Amino acid sequence: QKEVEQDPGPLSVPEGAIVSLNCTYSNSAFQYFMWYRQYSRKGPELLMYTYSSGNKEDGRFTAQVDKSSKYISLFIRDSQPSDSATYLCAMSPTGGGNKLTFGTGTQLKVEL
Amino acid sequence: DGGITQSPKYLFRKEGQNVTLSCEQNLNHDAMYWYRQDPGQGLRLIYYSQIVNDFQKGDIAEGYSVSREKKESFPLTVTSAQKNPTAFYLCASRGLAGGREKTQYFGPGTRLLVL
Repeated sequence: QKEVEQDPGPLSVPEGAIVSLNCTYSNSAFQYFMWYRQYSRKGPELLMYTYSSGNKEDGRFTAQVDKSSKYISLFIRDSQPSDSATYLCAMSPTGGGNKLTFGTGTQLKVEL
Repeated sequence: DGGITQSPKYLFRKEGQNVTLSCEQNLNHDAMYWYRQDPGQGLRLIYYSQIVNDFQKGDIAEGYSVSREKKESFPLTVTSAQKNPTAFYLCASRGLAGGREKTQYFGPGTRLLVL
């Protein structure tokens, strides 16, 4: 069993929809959680960075962490075609340090 | 403009050949990393370096080598011992300030293909 599980998709939604992307994990030592967005043939771009449990909002993006369930989510409101990308979750027991463990990524397509 | 640059964008390797991928950053970050990305497998850590002249193996270091002679540069050599080198290679760096700056930022990647 992988330490971090992420549904690979593809997930296809209409423009304007609310998107929910999720990861589950097994290592209770993870304290720091990140979401990266990766466009095709490009490097990942950091979207959200959260510590421990709770919610964090940045524009149309909300990151949610539930450590008791070992479950993290990224919500995208009012989704746009430009949001079409692969979304990677990553986590670490220390502050974004040397040992990031990544999910395999969820491919999202937002259609007009 | 601060950032991480990787070159070349595409690289072709012949059988038995060593090839070197370049990674440069002007973010004044201390730590640098190399990852390999394959479809359906996520990112896997090859090597990382926290300081000049020091580096550690990641999860899949066999068939790869690195050097860290300058703070801003962390080249990766894919040796002939790496039997399945076709992948997308990503370089990342990390600062040591607090909060968000403590996580890793990625370069644009190099796609390595075997002829």
